Amino acid sequence: GAVVSQHPSWVICKSGTSVKIECRSLDFQATTMFWYRQFPKQSLMLMATSNEGSKATYEQGVEKDKFLINHASLTLSTLTVTSAHPEDSSFYICSASTLDRGSGNTIYFGEGSWLTVV
Amino acid sequence: GDSVTQMEGPVTLSEEAFLTINCTYTATGYPSLFWYVQYPGEGLQLLLKATKADDKGSNKGFEATYRKETTSFHLEKGSVQVSDSAVYFCALRIDSYNTDKLIFGTGTRLQVFP
Repeated sequence: GAVVSQHPSWVICKSGTSVKIECRSLDFQATTMFWYRQFPKQSLMLMATSNEGSKATYEQGVEKDKFLINHASLTLSTLTVTSAHPEDSSFYICSASTLDRGSGNTIYFGEGSWLTVV
Repeated sequence: GDSVTQMEGPVTLSEEAFLTINCTYTATGYPSLFWYVQYPGEGLQLLLKATKADDKGSNKGFEATYRKETTSFHLEKGSVQVSDSAVYFCALRIDSYNTDKLIFGTGTRLQVFP
């Protein structure tokens, strides 16, 4: 079946540095990918919708200059956390959808990426 | 606004016990409802879904019925196994928005012991 892969699974970075997380659709093309964030014991919160070849659409309250999203190809979206701070430490998950014949859009999720900012 | 509320975990059960994980929702449109499962070290996987009222989604022995009158989509399984240990997420999608955006509950961790 369709697979979405994230990299890295775990990352530790120093405060003030930037870190990039990749989300790849391995066997299908995804014109739209989604980035979610999850704090401990809380829901997955949608951060932004990543559109191939155009600017991402950010949810209310998400700083677009801090969380840079690039969707340069139909199989890759990247999330860059710029000038990271400890409060950015979280679990980040991406998803991508593909149109399945007869069943409509199916959404596939990556494994998630743990970010720890020290 | 649209939201999903599910019971807090962890839920701890012995093997072959009956499982219920409650999920209720608030939606302004006409939602489709989903249960996703996340096994340790893996991404979220779709477990089952229902797209309209009174639909029953089922998969791997799990079932959930879309109850519009109680705005609920409780997950049930008659006999759990150790391999069912995972985190379960209830989610909704407002289809009238023509989007694949999902709104999730907080997740419920299920631990099944032999």
